[in-house]
Amino acid sequence: GEDVEQSLFLSVREGDSSVINCTYTDSSSTYLYWYKQEPGAGLQLLTYIFSNMDMKQDQRLTVLLNKKDKHLSLRIADTQTGDSAIYFCAERAGGSYIPTFGRGTSLIVHP
Amino acid sequence: DGGITQSPKYLFRKEGQNVTLSCEQNLNHDAMYWYRQDPGQGLRLIYYSQIVNDFQKGDIAEGYSVSREKKESFPLTVTSAQKNPTAFYLCASSIQDSEETQYFGPGTRLLVL
Repeated sequence: GEDVEQSLFLSVREGDSSVINCTYTDSSSTYLYWYKQEPGAGLQLLTYIFSNMDMKQDQRLTVLLNKKDKHLSLRIADTQTGDSAIYFCAERAGGSYIPTFGRGTSLIVHP
Repeated sequence: DGGITQSPKYLFRKEGQNVTLSCEQNLNHDAMYWYRQDPGQGLRLIYYSQIVNDFQKGDIAEGYSVSREKKESFPLTVTSAQKNPTAFYLCASSIQDSEETQYFGPGTRLLVL
């Protein structure tokens, strides 16, 4: 079945760039998503990328997709303390309406 | 002001009791979903519904039940058969177009007394 893997923790200094990585196994993945979850809250969609794209940029966020290696990354430029949260990667295969979520990466931003 | 609301924010269940979590959306989305979140385990799908009066089991449906009598509402009942119900429950909805982006509610934390 489908599987989405993420590292559990990432710690960065305020002002540095953060890179959160994700790998997936389903070669028929059509859309790949990044969500942010702050403590005690629901998931907030940050961005998504279609599988025929290599890169998508939105202000401080850059998504890179390596479809050959089934690797997705989210880069946050100039990371701030407000970026501290859990970041979920999700993929959805073509023909399915149900995404598969990774376990989430806890981003810790320290001064 | 469109969005998804979940209530209550915290819910306490006694042994042998059924409890119902509310999820309402005014986004005019066709599909609605219930997920369970446990620490370090990500999101697991409990039930989903793509149309009124129809719903399907997800990966962990045992001990849960749902109904979809209205497009806007998708309540989840945690029955006494669910032996380990303590978790954070998230409701989501989507429009079912090609992008199929899910939008999430704020969640309900269920605790067992």
